[in-house]
Amino acid sequence: QVQLQESGPGLVKPSETVSLTCTVSGGSVSSDDYYWSWIRQPPGKRLEWIGYTHYSGRRNYNPSLKSRVTISVDTSKNQFSLKLSSVTAADTAMYYCVRERESSGYDYWGQGTLVTVSS
Amino acid sequence: DIQMTQSPYSLSASVGDRVTITCRASQGISNYLAWFQQRPGKAPKSLIYAASSLQSGVPSKFSASGSGTEFTLTISSLQPEDLATYYCQQYSSYPYTFGQGTKLEIK
Repeated sequence: QVQLQESGPGLVKPSETVSLTCTVSGGSVSSDDYYWSWIRQPPGKRLEWIGYTHYSGRRNYNPSLKSRVTISVDTSKNQFSLKLSSVTAADTAMYYCVRERESSGYDYWGQGTLVTVSS
Repeated sequence: DIQMTQSPYSLSASVGDRVTITCRASQGISNYLAWFQQRPGKAPKSLIYAASSLQSGVPSKFSASGSGTEFTLTISSLQPEDLATYYCQQYSSYPYTFGQGTKLEIK
């Protein structure tokens, strides 16, 4: 059974960089069939697509965040990560890591990790 | 960006009822449409991809249809565990975008 588990700091100060990691079990981040994505949800708001990475190096980011986002894969640890720089209160959200299969969309979601931006 | 609009914003139905949620895209997206269920305090769960295909393990009480700009999700034989917010998402073009959600309450 595939499982995704997010981890991260929880509380971040404004202007800092938040780093989140998603650990994948029951499957390989090196598979050609899958893309590894981050999606976030501010409190009480709709879901927002942040971007994805593929082990080959292919990446795509939401233009609204592109200048501040980096998503990367660590095949040795079977993990992928999100770095979001220059955070503000608007970045306070639940962050989900998700597996996307090209033929069938998102199939597995992590449970989410809450990031709060506050001084 | 493609705008996704769901209707209604919320609805209340009784156990055993059949309900339908609509999702409209601001431009044609062929069948690149997914549906998700988010129970209170939980992560979203994938229900549907390619507008009408059930994700593995999703019960057949969920069905969906549509193409182009208008899509529907139907839930038959409503049960208490169907209490959730339902989201549509287009993955026709970047950035992928989601609807605002439809909150389903059980009477």
